[in-house]
Amino acid sequence: AQSVTQPDIHITVSEGASLELRCNYSYGATPYLFWYVQSPGQGLQLLLKYFSGDTLVQGIKGFEAEFKRSQSSFNLRKPSVHWSDAAEYFCAVGAGQAGTALIFGKGTTLSVSS
Amino acid sequence: NAGVTQTPKFQVLKTGQSMTLQCAQDMNHEYMSWYRQDPGMGLRLIHYSVGAGITDQGEVPNGYNVSRSTTEDFPLRLLSAAPSQTSVYFCASSSAVYNEQFFGPGTRLTVL
Repeated sequence: AQSVTQPDIHITVSEGASLELRCNYSYGATPYLFWYVQSPGQGLQLLLKYFSGDTLVQGIKGFEAEFKRSQSSFNLRKPSVHWSDAAEYFCAVGAGQAGTALIFGKGTTLSVSS
Repeated sequence: NAGVTQTPKFQVLKTGQSMTLQCAQDMNHEYMSWYRQDPGMGLRLIHYSVGAGITDQGEVPNGYNVSRSTTEDFPLRLLSAAPSQTSVYFCASSSAVYNEQFFGPGTRLTVL
């Protein structure tokens, strides 16, 4: 069965510093991977997705993620964090019949210090 | 184009009561899903549907029923609510396999 692990429950980063959020997945075939962000009291917004091809994918708000099959990882990165990036971040893998639903990790809460 | 709508926004139930959480989308999406979000647990898939008349179970289906009679609507039924079902429930839809899922605003349910 598919599963997603986000090892870090909470991360604090200084504003302007770089960010990397870790995600590891378990999936038998080629995974379809997503990163979503949820600001406090808000719904979920898609940051980026990986289906195939280039293993470095660019998303919105300056985020990028790199798919590494050998490490079963899909880590999210941003070179310079802004205070508005404080939120909860979820990694997810396509599941169900042909990936029509998602299996999420438990999330990483990002705090940004000034 | 309202996207994915959910009603109600908030609901308080007593143990043993039944209710239906409504979800509708106006984007003509084939695929719809229900998730629950609990602190420290992320979002967990309850049920999903790949089209009208076709549903399947997700990670945590017990205590919940679904049906999909139209493309637009995907209601989630709690037949006998339990305190363990206190959660925020999100409905989502997508247009294609492995495509972006669009989430509704959520329903916050408290079961006393």
